[in-house]
Amino acid sequence: QKEVEQNSGPLSVPEGAIASLNCTYSDRVSQSFFWYRQYSGKSPELIMSIYSNGDKEDGRFTAQLNKASQYVSLLIRDSQPSDSATYLCAVISSEGKLTFGQGTILTVHP
Amino acid sequence: NAGVTQTPKFQVLKTGQSMTLQCAQDMNHNSMYWYRQDPGMGLRLIYYSASEGTTDKGEVPNGYNVSRLNKREFSLRLESAAPSQTSVYFCASRDSFNQPQHFGDGTRLSIL
Repeated sequence: QKEVEQNSGPLSVPEGAIASLNCTYSDRVSQSFFWYRQYSGKSPELIMSIYSNGDKEDGRFTAQLNKASQYVSLLIRDSQPSDSATYLCAVISSEGKLTFGQGTILTVHP
Repeated sequence: NAGVTQTPKFQVLKTGQSMTLQCAQDMNHNSMYWYRQDPGMGLRLIYYSASEGTTDKGEVPNGYNVSRLNKREFSLRLESAAPSQTSVYFCASRDSFNQPQHFGDGTRLSIL
């Protein structure tokens, strides 16, 4: 089982819709969770951090964490074509190791 | 506010040549990392330095060496470049145990 798993997609949503990106992890006692956005040809950019169960909202982005089920998700409301990118989930394990998922490609079409 | 700076941004090498990729961060972070990213492979950790004076292998260290020159700088060296090392290389840093990594802009390296 991979330590951090994401559906590679591509996920295609129409402009204005909600995009839902999911990530599962294997280390039950992981403490810190992050979402990065990576545009084609660019470096990963941190967009959300979440450390506690529940939801965390930042503008159009909401991160959701459920430690009991070992998943973390990212919702993008009112999706825009500029949101088209690869989204990377990253998890810090109990030993402090940060592991990235393979990434989900999101395409928002007008 | 520079963050993590990588040089060079692009490089073309011939097989067998050597090359050092430079990375510097101005955020006073303790840990620094080198990744490579290939199409369909995600980010793969080459080497990391948890603190000044220490370095450790990641999942794909073969063919590379690193030096943590001081707290700010962490270099990656290819002693004898091979076409399989054609990739995009990212340097990253983070402050402490539960903090995220921050990435440089990357170095696009082609080996002919």
